[in-house]
Amino acid sequence: DIVMTQSPDSLPVSLGERATINCKSSQSVLSNSNNRNYLAWYQQNPGQPPRLLIYWASTRESGVPDRFSGSGSGTDFTLTITSLRAEDVTLYYCQQYYISPYTFGQGTRLEI
Amino acid sequence: QEQIQQWGAGLLKPSETLSLTCGVSGGSFSGYFWNWIRQSPGKGLEWIGEINHTGKTDYNPSLKSRVTISVDPFNQQFSLRLTSVTAADSAVYYCARDVGGGYTHWGQGTLVTVSS
Repeated sequence: DIVMTQSPDSLPVSLGERATINCKSSQSVLSNSNNRNYLAWYQQNPGQPPRLLIYWASTRESGVPDRFSGSGSGTDFTLTITSLRAEDVTLYYCQQYYISPYTFGQGTRLEI
Repeated sequence: QEQIQQWGAGLLKPSETLSLTCGVSGGSFSGYFWNWIRQSPGKGLEWIGEINHTGKTDYNPSLKSRVTISVDPFNQQFSLRLTSVTAADSAVYYCARDVGGGYTHWGQGTLVTVSS
């Protein structure tokens, strides 16, 4: 299985500032056939299912504010949130959907 | 607006069979893979398996011997069956639609507790 490791587990943040979450996969999730990284980012609020933010490592899902951005390739990826708002202070996961079984990171919690 | 509604029993005894169903409304059913994912405090988010409208399945090897995912395309429903449950199977179970680039639509989640 591809192991997804996020860092840090928790991240103290300040409103209006930038937050950066890292995700590392145990093997590359970059497809040679289409040059796409099979990496997604999700946000999860308490009592709710995860919400897709980013797919193909850097494509924002429809309706996601542009303060959310994804970057990286191969095995190393980053989710960046600029101009942090109170509603952004929650839990985030990365996921690879390149090779089954599809696996998630352990999660990163933003904290004020 | 596509919606996914899920239902099924939330309290089971050890060795019983978990059975959950998701119904899809307001959108296309074919052309996607329909997934089951669970979330527990101890194991985080765990992908269980998926199925498409033709019945093609893929399962997580860690659960494959106990899992069956089935589909009823005419009623736009898909179901999860997990046999011989133990306390380790206690989790919130979600169904979700895979568009080939992540899971865009999720059910509301079902808390399943396994306890004698």
